[in-house]
This record gives sequence, structure tokens and C-alpha cells, in this order.
Amino acid sequence: DTAVSQTPKYLVTQMGNDKSIKCEQNLGHDTMYWYKQDSKKFLKIMFSYNNKELIINETVPNRFSPKSPDKAHLNLHINSLELGDSAVYFCASSPGTGNYGYTFGSGTRLTVV
Amino acid sequence: DAKTTQPPSMDCAEGRAANLPCNHSTISGNEYVYWYRQIHSQGPQYIIHGLKNNETNEMASLIITEDRKSSTLILPHATLRDTAVYYCIVRVITAGNKLTFGGGTRVLVKP
Repeated sequence: DTAVSQTPKYLVTQMGNDKSIKCEQNLGHDTMYWYKQDSKKFLKIMFSYNNKELIINETVPNRFSPKSPDKAHLNLHINSLELGDSAVYFCASSPGTGNYGYTFGSGTRLTVV
Repeated sequence: DAKTTQPPSMDCAEGRAANLPCNHSTISGNEYVYWYRQIHSQGPQYIIHGLKNNETNEMASLIITEDRKSSTLILPHATLRDTAVYYCIVRVITAGNKLTFGGGTRVLVKP
């Protein structure tokens, strides 16, 4: 069983389109995250949800909107895609507060053309 | 969270121990040291963490100096599959639990 699964794995789309990336975790964790890894390979946190409540919202354009229907799911919707949005997006989860490591998904490679 | 400094890259021989250093001279008393790695095209993988004492698990050992200003991750018998970028991160355990990644060390295990 995959602990943190993301779909799709690859996404190629044109500028201006709207797209969504889905993430699901079956670990029973309370907290979920979205990270972005750009072409320079730096991993940056975008959002964090704890029990469906937004707790971290880094400086991310309003075109990016996370949605957490329940604590096992955190989806990322992106409006009006731009070339600079091309990156690998990683979903992660953790048990919430406490001294635990994160579990990351395998990533979604988004290419905007 | 305190910043960390790691060498950008290092090589090690297959079968030998790999010692990865990390400086975190501004670490505060309630910050933990975490290590993650990212194998090419995969999501980051948790390795180990510690506060003051040395820690060991099935993947690695973590040695933290007494003043906690630096630490070393030890991969006891490096294999080719250990080739990855290794990240040393210090963080306070808060409700946000935010992990902030730096540049890491690119480790190449050679036959």
C-alpha cells in the first residue's frame, strides 16, 4: 500500500489552463503539506493543513488554492497556469504535532508549455 | 528555525562508511536535528532525528556534538542505492511542524 499517493504523476498543460493535483494518505496522519521543487532543486513549503484546517500558507500566488475535504486528502488546484509554475510538486503528511518525520509522496511533475 | 550548513557534494566508496557533516551553530535548545534524503526523482525520505543524544536506526547513525552546534550523519556501509541528496534540518516542534530544506549535500557512492 502506498502511504502518500499523488495523482497524476506527470501533467503537461498549456499556459492559462486550470489544473488540479490530488493527494491521499492512508497513514492516519493529522497534517498534510504541499511542497514545490523548482528546476534548481530547492524544496519549498507552500501549504499545510491540520485536520482540514489551513495552518501554513507561505507566500504563494492566489492562483494556488489547496482544498482538504477530509484529513486524508489534500488537493492542490492551480488557476491560470504560468510557465513559472513548472516544477515538481510533493505532497507530504505527518502525525501532526510531535517529534515525527514526514512521509512524502513520489511527486507530480508539472510542465506548463 | 536555525540555519544549517552542509558541503554541497561528497563522494564515498561503496561498502565504506559515509560521514556527512552539518553545522548548525545557531541551534536553540528546543530545536531537533533531522536528516532526510532525496534519491533522484523521488520524494524526500526521512532518515533519523535527534535532540541531544546520539541516535541509531536501521538506516543510519546520528552523532550530535555536546554543544549541539554540529552533527554527523553516518551511513555505516554505503551502497550505490545511497546515492542521493542528503538534507540536514533543524526545527522546533510546533503546531505547524514546518520542514525547511536547504541545499543539502549531494552524495555519490562509487563502486
